[in-house]
Amino acid sequence: SQQGEEDPQALSIQEGENATMNCSYKTSINNLQWYRQNSGRGLVHLILIRSNEREKHSGRLRVTLDTSKKSSSLLITASRAADTASYFCATRTGGGNKLTFGTGTQLKVEL
Amino acid sequence: NAGVTQTPKFRVLKTGQSMTLLCAQDMNHEYMYWYRQDPGMGLRLIHYSVGEGTTAKGEVPDGYNVSRLKKQNFLLGLESAAPSQTSVYFCASDYRGRSDTQYFGPGTRLTVL
Repeated sequence: SQQGEEDPQALSIQEGENATMNCSYKTSINNLQWYRQNSGRGLVHLILIRSNEREKHSGRLRVTLDTSKKSSSLLITASRAADTASYFCATRTGGGNKLTFGTGTQLKVEL
Repeated sequence: NAGVTQTPKFRVLKTGQSMTLLCAQDMNHEYMYWYRQDPGMGLRLIHYSVGEGTTAKGEVPDGYNVSRLKKQNFLLGLESAAPSQTSVYFCASDYRGRSDTQYFGPGTRLTVL
């Protein structure tokens, strides 16, 4: 079963706009990570937020985490056509070494 | 550094045929993983390895076998391919399973007819 569910499944915006995607999960986590996947390629790690953190920034990325609601959001500001990709959240739980991935959000940024 | 590489990139099999997918990493990572990616399902863990000579089952291990004879290589085998195994397969690795960052290969697209 999937730990993370992303919302929306697909998102289409204009270049320069902000893109927000959400991830909900089911069980307590140690950390939550976001990955990007360009079409036909492997996943690339973007950012990690630990369970005791509420917000984290990296360049144009802003991630928030609400452990009481078991949810996270990824904000991409001033989007570019090159941001077109699928975005996945992944959670690490307990003492395990495994990541559990969500179903992904397909982002399309149009010129 | 090449990072994580996968061989082959594409493969078409007939039902019942066997094949081996090879994953190699040059980052001296202890942990390696095999995932499959299907439309609308995200990535699901097939098998993983916490070190040379050790393997463990993931979420969807049936129909697959793995081996980790060398630290840098992780092999995924299909003994008798089935159409349900049509998927894109990704290998990943990380350092000692802290999972702070997993590094992914480019994927192998497998079609079973």
